[in-house]
Order: sequence, then C-alpha cells, then structure tokens
Amino acid sequence: DGGITQSPKYLFRKEGQNVTLSCEQNLNHDAMYWYRQDPGQGLRLIYYSQIVNDFQKGDIAEGYSVSREKKESFPLTVTSAQKNPTAFYLCASSMGLRIAEKLFFGSGTQLSVL
Amino acid sequence: DAKTTQPPSMDCAEGRAANLPCNHSTISGNEYVYWYRQIHSQGPQYIIHGLKNNETNEMASLIITEDRKSSTLILPHATLRDTAVYYCIVRPPNTDKLIFGTGTRLQVFP
Repeated sequence: DGGITQSPKYLFRKEGQNVTLSCEQNLNHDAMYWYRQDPGQGLRLIYYSQIVNDFQKGDIAEGYSVSREKKESFPLTVTSAQKNPTAFYLCASSMGLRIAEKLFFGSGTQLSVL
Repeated sequence: DAKTTQPPSMDCAEGRAANLPCNHSTISGNEYVYWYRQIHSQGPQYIIHGLKNNETNEMASLIITEDRKSSTLILPHATLRDTAVYYCIVRPPNTDKLIFGTGTRLQVFP
C-alpha cells in the first residue's frame, strides 16, 4: 500500500542532544513537509521541500534542520538549539504541482524531553 | 494570506447532519478552500476542497457562498467515528503551503 511512514512513534531527547525523526513516502510525491503541533493548537510549518536537494524554511525553522537527498525521504533533525522541542511532529507529502492538490500525512512522532 | 474563523467546538447527535461553518471574508478569487480533519493523536486527513462551486464526495459536501466569504462542511449522517478536529484552510496563491488554524472540535454523541 502506498503511504507515508514516520518513525519512531515516540521519541525522548536528553538536554543538549540532537535527535532525528524519520519520514518516508512511497507515493512518488515531489513535495514533502514537516509540521509541529503543540497541545490544543493547530499545525505550524517547520520546513518543506519541493524537489530533491532543495528545501525552504517554514514559519518556525529555528532549531531544526532537514535534508532531501532522496525523493522518498525527508528526515527532520531537532537540534539542541531548539529549546522547547516537546511536541507532536507531523510529516506530509503532496504532488507539489502548485495547483489544487492535497496533503497526505503520516501518523506522527511524539517528541518529549527527559 | 486569507484567514479563517471557525467555532472552537460543536456537538452533533449520531445519525444527524453535522454542519461546520467557516468564515474567510478576505479570500481572494484564486484561493481554494480546503477541509481536513484530525482524529486524536493521528495525522490530519484530507476531506474535500473547492474554489467556487459546491463540491461533494464520499465523505462530505462543501457549500461555498456566492461571495466566497464563507463555507460550510456538511457530514450528512454523522457517526461516532467522525469525532475529530476539523480544519478549514484557505490556500494562498502560488504557494504549496497550507496554514492550519485551531479548527473546530466536533463531538458526535450517541
């Protein structure tokens, strides 16, 4: 089945540690996105990528980094510079043709700080 | 960017129609209206989208007013599994970004 897979489902980070969240899709989508969701809040865009080896900052990119070396993969690293990393992280993909099209979301990763 | 306004919460009896309103009074002519829903601790799920005309699919109907300043998502026969947060989103032109607000928390009760 085609879809978008995030792992792990739960992740714990120690102070000063970098952690990487995985996102893989087999939908042959060009565009991929990372969103952050805090309790009771909407989704905020961290980074997005329209094509391999290219990505753009979203609204809250500080303290995060991404790479897009393969079309299928868009990992997100939460660096030690991110002082409040506890949140629910969602990865999404789309055909990315800049016309009316929809996002497909993964099931999310809950990151907590120890 | 056009902003949307939704009520924070709504209730609906199982089997009845759920009508979820959304105001987007600053929408421009080429901006689409999207609806997504998010069941607790899962990723959002696409429901429907439209530009000017009313739209219907297997999940819901989307009614957009003639002036496009508001829309209504209709779940014709709500079930308990429709309990979720529903997001109304207006997509800015020439961008691939969708901006999610806080949505409407729909509670379907038996």
